[in-house]
Amino acid sequence: AQSVSQHNHHVILSEAASLELGCNYSYGGTVNLFWYVQYPGQHLQLLLKYFSGDPLVKGIKGFEAEFIKSKFSFNLRKPSVQWSDTAEYFCAVNAYSSASKIIFGSGTRLSIRP
Amino acid sequence: GAGVSQSPSNKVTEKGKDVELRCDPISGHTALYWYRQSLGQGLEFLIYFQGNSAPDKSGLPSDRFSAERTGGSVSTLTIQRTQQEDSAVYLCASSPGGRQINYGYTFGSGTRLTVV
Repeated sequence: AQSVSQHNHHVILSEAASLELGCNYSYGGTVNLFWYVQYPGQHLQLLLKYFSGDPLVKGIKGFEAEFIKSKFSFNLRKPSVQWSDTAEYFCAVNAYSSASKIIFGSGTRLSIRP
Repeated sequence: GAGVSQSPSNKVTEKGKDVELRCDPISGHTALYWYRQSLGQGLEFLIYFQGNSAPDKSGLPSDRFSAERTGGSVSTLTIQRTQQEDSAVYLCASSPGGRQINYGYTFGSGTRLTVV
């Protein structure tokens, strides 16, 4: 069965700091990978996704993530965070062999000090 | 519609009562998903519909939970004899279906259920 681990439950950074949120998944086959973001009071939105090709994917608002197959990781990065990046971030995986569902991690709450 | 619509947005119910939560997916999306988000927890998968059938209902936590989808569109999640541990935000999502799960889901804004 697929599972997703997000090791950081709450990250606090100052504006302009660099960000890296960890995500590891467990599944031996081909996967589709996602990062979703939930801003305060808003619904979940897709930040970026990987399903084939270049393992470095770029998403909205300057975010990027790198798929490292050998490490079963899909870490989210941003070179310089802004106060508006305060949100909860969810990593998620879909096993390519299963069209049925996406499995989500427990989320990382990101707080940015202005 | 333009997005995934869920109703009600908030529901407070007494323990032991039944509740129905509604999801109206994006027009043309054949796949529909229900998740539950509890405080401090991630998103817990409940059930997946492809058309009107539910090939994966493995996440339903007990037989008090059921869901149906009619006309390949609107879905209703029913919780019978609600318990306090059922308090959570119930999220619905839809996607075009099949391999297009590659592109991720579109989520609704959720129903916040509070059982008192």
